[in-house]
Amino acid sequence: QQPVQSPQAVILREGEDAVINCSSSKALYSVHWYRQKHGEAPVFLMILLKGGEQKGHEKISASFNEKKQQSSLYLTASQLSYSGTYFCGTVPRDSSYKLIFGSGTRLLVRP
Amino acid sequence: DARVTQTPRHKVTEMGQEVTMRCQPILGHNTVFWYRQTMMQGLELLAYFRNRAPLDDSGMPKDRFSAEMPDATLATLKIQPSEPRDSAVYFCASGLVRDGQPYSNQPQHFGDGTRLSIL
Repeated sequence: QQPVQSPQAVILREGEDAVINCSSSKALYSVHWYRQKHGEAPVFLMILLKGGEQKGHEKISASFNEKKQQSSLYLTASQLSYSGTYFCGTVPRDSSYKLIFGSGTRLLVRP
Repeated sequence: DARVTQTPRHKVTEMGQEVTMRCQPILGHNTVFWYRQTMMQGLELLAYFRNRAPLDDSGMPKDRFSAEMPDATLATLKIQPSEPRDSAVYFCASGLVRDGQPYSNQPQHFGDGTRLSIL
């Protein structure tokens, strides 16, 4: 089952914050976050393995609520370089390896 | 920086032709994944190899797609015969999984993809 991402798209001014949510109908082993710029490959941002775990990468951080089967990606003080499509990938507990990607959230940061 | 290398970067061919896409994983990585990306379906896992052994190819149409890993430095994805609906960007990704650990706690490193157009 593909995880559901929200919002589908968001437009920010440089310096603004954003939250991208990822929700699964299945119990999860882990959540991955990737960013893809137009015409390029997805780039790994972070993995969250434990419920409640929060990880950070520059001004981008994420949390994982295992009980709710949800993860959120936080972008603070956004920069132009943050523009792209953000994908969450979930690994259900009933599959030890199958990473299933959401449909993505398009983020545009404007000057 | 070590990178996953995919060739060709672009491929345009006619329906019915054989298409072969190649992937060189990052040296030392022991897992290889093939994905297909389209606007409609997003990123779909086609096949997964661990230590060169195919562990899952349930995402591939078996009648026309095949994936192999003849050695640790080369993975191939073939389509024969190709159809217009196969048009997509095909990504290869590699990762390093420790013995006894599931792959899912390791990041995947993607290549730049092969943009395939079947006319």
